[in-house]
Amino acid sequence: SYVLTQSPSVSVAPGQTAEISCGGDKIGTKTVHWYRQKPGQAPVVVIYNDHDRPSGIPDRFSASNSGTTATLTITRVEPGDEADYYCHVWDSDSNHQVFGGGTKLTVL
Amino acid sequence: EGQLLESGGGLVRPGGSHRLSCGASGFSFSNYAMSWVRQAPGKGLEWVSGISRSGSVIYYEDSVKGRFTISRDNSKNTLSLQMDSLRPEDTAVYYCARLSDFVIGYGANWFDPWGQGTLVSVSS
Repeated sequence: SYVLTQSPSVSVAPGQTAEISCGGDKIGTKTVHWYRQKPGQAPVVVIYNDHDRPSGIPDRFSASNSGTTATLTITRVEPGDEADYYCHVWDSDSNHQVFGGGTKLTVL
Repeated sequence: EGQLLESGGGLVRPGGSHRLSCGASGFSFSNYAMSWVRQAPGKGLEWVSGISRSGSVIYYEDSVKGRFTISRDNSKNTLSLQMDSLRPEDTAVYYCARLSDFVIGYGANWFDPWGQGTLVSVSS
């Protein structure tokens, strides 16, 4: 089955840029979505269709997808961005939705 | 925008059965595919099952196939998950989530919104 690999943790200082990667075989040929989950809360989509932002998500959030890696980029990181971030794709070979293992973003 | 509210969580014995429900409001439930996603304590998200808007197309994650049954009642705006032969490893918060389209089975289809989740604990 298809596997998405995320680094367990990323740490950045406030005001800096965080990059959260999501690796998968030919992931660039798939459509990637990103979710943010704060402790005790349900996930919320922050990027859909590789690079689109839902209303209410600041333009500090952006993403790209190419080759074997998709990347979520958060610029001017704020303490409120501290959360777990998950990537998600549809695997047409297995007919499964697939999530990455999640990356915990810590704001120092 | 829509809201989802799960119910039915609780403590279940291994090998037992349990049923979860998810009530939808604020959107046209029958126009969207739906899914269940779970999260074991301290772990990541795991997709469990998905169903198209009509209920004609259903998919399951391999570890629950044959034990769980997803269904929907569009007249009652309700999504359900019947869980049989439960195992300790099924212990998780179960989220109901709406897909962005009426079909399942293609990539440009994301989860939004999500319910607040309901905890199912499988233990003797």
